[in-house]
Amino acid sequence: EAGVAQSPRYKIIEKRQSVAFWCNPISGHATLYWYQQILGQGPKLLIQFQNNGVVDDSQLPKDRFSAERLKGVDSTLKIQPAKLEDSAVYLCASSPLGTALEAFFGQGTRLTVV
Amino acid sequence: GNSVTQMEGPVTLSEEAFLTINCTYTATGYPSLFWYVQYPGEGLQLLLKATKADDKGSNKGFEATYRKETTSFHLEKGSVQVSDSAVYFCALSGSNAGNMLTFGGGTRLMVKP
Repeated sequence: EAGVAQSPRYKIIEKRQSVAFWCNPISGHATLYWYQQILGQGPKLLIQFQNNGVVDDSQLPKDRFSAERLKGVDSTLKIQPAKLEDSAVYLCASSPLGTALEAFFGQGTRLTVV
Repeated sequence: GNSVTQMEGPVTLSEEAFLTINCTYTATGYPSLFWYVQYPGEGLQLLLKATKADDKGSNKGFEATYRKETTSFHLEKGSVQVSDSAVYFCALSGSNAGNMLTFGGGTRLMVKP
């Protein structure tokens, strides 16, 4: 089966610009996660969706980050305006039953803010 | 809150050496425990998992045992190969909070021929 698809793979922007990332989860997976992975650190959860509803967004910096999952399938994560410290790999993952036991990760989008 | 601590790397070993990567956790309730691996240029992949105390997860020659008394989930392999070179992440999924994964900081393993 096809895996979790993310685009773009790489993005370089200047600070204060905006950027959007896209994720297509594995077909039929109800739960979708966005993680931020800063170089040399483990991934940190930004937001978790169950279908098109938000389960947890407690660590999402809502003044600049937003995410949506229209129709409970694809998802987009937006940063506006970007800061230097947003440079990281943004990982999307999905799971079929709302449990992390079967979470599958995409290859990520590497964002560099200059 | 939940947290995971794993040994810092890099860990450099010769081929066929024994590997241990330590992982300890703090969590409420009864979490599930995982090891994920990230090969160069690739995404995170689940390596193995354990869902309750004394469970042993295993895959590709790697093993880890869920030790509730020491809150640990150390990763071991008896004989590493060059192809095992990667970054290894210990993680837990709590029994609440939507089952989100909490990761450790990762340990880079380099295996030399």
